[in-house]
Amino acid sequence: DTEVTQTPKHLVMGMTNKKSLKCEQHMGHRAMYWYKQKAKKPPELMFVYSYEKLSINESVPSRFSPECPNSSLLNLHLHALQPEDSALYLCASSQRPGPDNQPQHFGDGTRLSIL
Amino acid sequence: GQNIDQPTEMTATEGAIVQINCTYQTSGFNGLFWYQQHAGEAPTFLSYNVLDGLEEKGRFSSFLSRSKGYSYLLLKELQMKDSASYLCAVRDRGYNKLIFGAGTRLAVHP
Repeated sequence: DTEVTQTPKHLVMGMTNKKSLKCEQHMGHRAMYWYKQKAKKPPELMFVYSYEKLSINESVPSRFSPECPNSSLLNLHLHALQPEDSALYLCASSQRPGPDNQPQHFGDGTRLSIL
Repeated sequence: GQNIDQPTEMTATEGAIVQINCTYQTSGFNGLFWYQQHAGEAPTFLSYNVLDGLEEKGRFSSFLSRSKGYSYLLLKELQMKDSASYLCAVRDRGYNKLIFGAGTRLAVHP
């Protein structure tokens, strides 16, 4: 179990569905991240939120829409996804956005399958 | 461009020592992290280096040479549970951005 909680653990959806992935942390971290990981590949950064504001968007298609309602929660809204979007979606958090020795803590991820 | 290289796979024997190398060429550098990831699980933090030299943490040690763009992770007294992927990640000068290498899959056998 990790201190970053992601729900659901598994999600199967059609290309016309709308769904949301949720991430929660109660460590007081002020930076939160979304990553996408394909099988046997490293995590690829999608979005970074610093103090609840979007600070990095790695040119992610608009069918992925992040939201940070408060300092503990991070959502990823999904709409009209493609089969190639099937992957493990990882949420992470770190103490603050800055050059310190604090690592990013990862959740267990949501395994997403697009039919 | 950004480039982080690690060997794809390694095998080692239980009780032995293994060194996993990582070389990097990135536009900026603000620290290097090593993570362990078991199949289907989250990456877990192992070590952090920002200055040259060796950091030791129990059975795991990590070394950094910034001038050579080189790091290694040293695992001692290998156990079967150490079979996993080991990810080298460089923090870019943007501070928040981690760039991951492709990972090294380590198989420990009896």
